Amino acid sequence: DGGITQSPKYLFRKEGQNVTLSCEQNLNHDAMYWYRQDPGQGLRLIYYSQIVNDFQKGDIAEGYSVSREKKESFPLTVTSAQKNPTAFYLCASSTPRTGNNSPLHFGNGTRLTVT
Amino acid sequence: RKEVEQDPGPFNVPEGATVAFNCTYSNSASQSFFWYRQDCRKEPKLLMSVYSSGNEDGRFTAQLNRASQYISLLIRDSKLSDSATYLCVVNLSGYNKLIFGAGTRLAVHP
Repeated sequence: DGGITQSPKYLFRKEGQNVTLSCEQNLNHDAMYWYRQDPGQGLRLIYYSQIVNDFQKGDIAEGYSVSREKKESFPLTVTSAQKNPTAFYLCASSTPRTGNNSPLHFGNGTRLTVT
Repeated sequence: RKEVEQDPGPFNVPEGATVAFNCTYSNSASQSFFWYRQDCRKEPKLLMSVYSSGNEDGRFTAQLNRASQYISLLIRDSKLSDSATYLCVVNLSGYNKLIFGAGTRLAVHP
């Protein structure tokens, strides 16, 4: 079955440590995204990638980094510079269609807690 | 003003009721629109796209009003399993840069 997989489901880290969240998809989608979700707020875009070896900052990229070396993979690193990293992180992918009317497919998320 | 606004709810309705949610968007150049459903502590899942002429999928009806810049979701004959948060999503510009509303929570009770 095709899908998008995030790991781990729960992650705990000490303040000051970098941490990398994994996202893998076998849907053959070109575009991949990282969002974070905080209670009472909509999903906010961190980074997105339309094609291998290319990515763009979203609305809240500060303190995060990504890479897109393979079409299937789009890992997100939460660095120690991110001031409030505790959140629910969602990875998504999509395939471009005319009219930009293509929905997102989400992974099941990683809940990161930093203490 | 937020780019996409929703009433957070919760909407508490009995089984069998009809319930409607609205979502307003600020950018008149918005091109595509979706409703997603999110269960507690889970990822969002696409419920339906919203087309200009309105569209229906079983008990769910989505409408778009470009003049007033809002989309709506109508749920008929509510089921307990409809309890979730419903996210309004708008593509404001360019290549799939989707903007999410904060969601409207629906609780269907027996």
